Amino acid sequence: GESVGLHLPTLSVQEGDNSIINCAYSNSASDYFIWYKQESGKGPQFIIDIRSNMDKRQGQRVTVLLNKTVKHLSLQIAATQPGDSAVYFCAGMNYGGSQGNLIFGKGTKLSVKP
Amino acid sequence: GAGVSQSPRYKVAKRGQDVALRCDPISGHVSLFWYQQALGQGPEFLTYFQNEAQLDKSGLPSDRFFAERPEGSVSTLKIQRTQQEDSAVYLCASSLLSGNQPQHFGDGTRLSIL
Repeated sequence: GESVGLHLPTLSVQEGDNSIINCAYSNSASDYFIWYKQESGKGPQFIIDIRSNMDKRQGQRVTVLLNKTVKHLSLQIAATQPGDSAVYFCAGMNYGGSQGNLIFGKGTKLSVKP
Repeated sequence: GAGVSQSPRYKVAKRGQDVALRCDPISGHVSLFWYQQALGQGPEFLTYFQNEAQLDKSGLPSDRFFAERPEGSVSTLKIQRTQQEDSAVYLCASSLLSGNQPQHFGDGTRLSIL
């Protein structure tokens, strides 16, 4: 089956620095991954996604890297801001069901110090 | 509305009572998912609908949990004879189509069983 886990439960960075959040997955059949940001009391908010035919995708201040060889993906946030403070989840698509549900890791809490 | 809407935002019930949680997905979204999120954990899949058809209910923890989406839009998650271990945040997500699509989440219903 699929499991998605995060290397570090907490990450503290200085405002303006770059942040890197890592994630490992176990099911090599997963071909779609999403990064979500979750603030306290809110639902997960879509940040960026990547398909397995890509190894890098960039958004606004965010970059996701996918290394299929070692089953690892990362989220890079450039010039981290206090508003980026939240819990970040990676999620991989699971095809054990009929149409694919997401399997989430436990999350990394990002704290941005002003 | 523009996003996924869930109600109520908070629900407190006594052990043994039945509860019903509502989800209004993004208009036109075919796929609808329910997830359960325990404190400090990532969301875990419960069940999936494509239009009005429940295609996957493999994540429902017991037969006390029941979900429906009779007209292919609004969905209700019902929990009968609630138990303390049912306390969690219940998240609903929708996606435009099935498969490798971003899932957009509501802010969830926080259920507390006393």
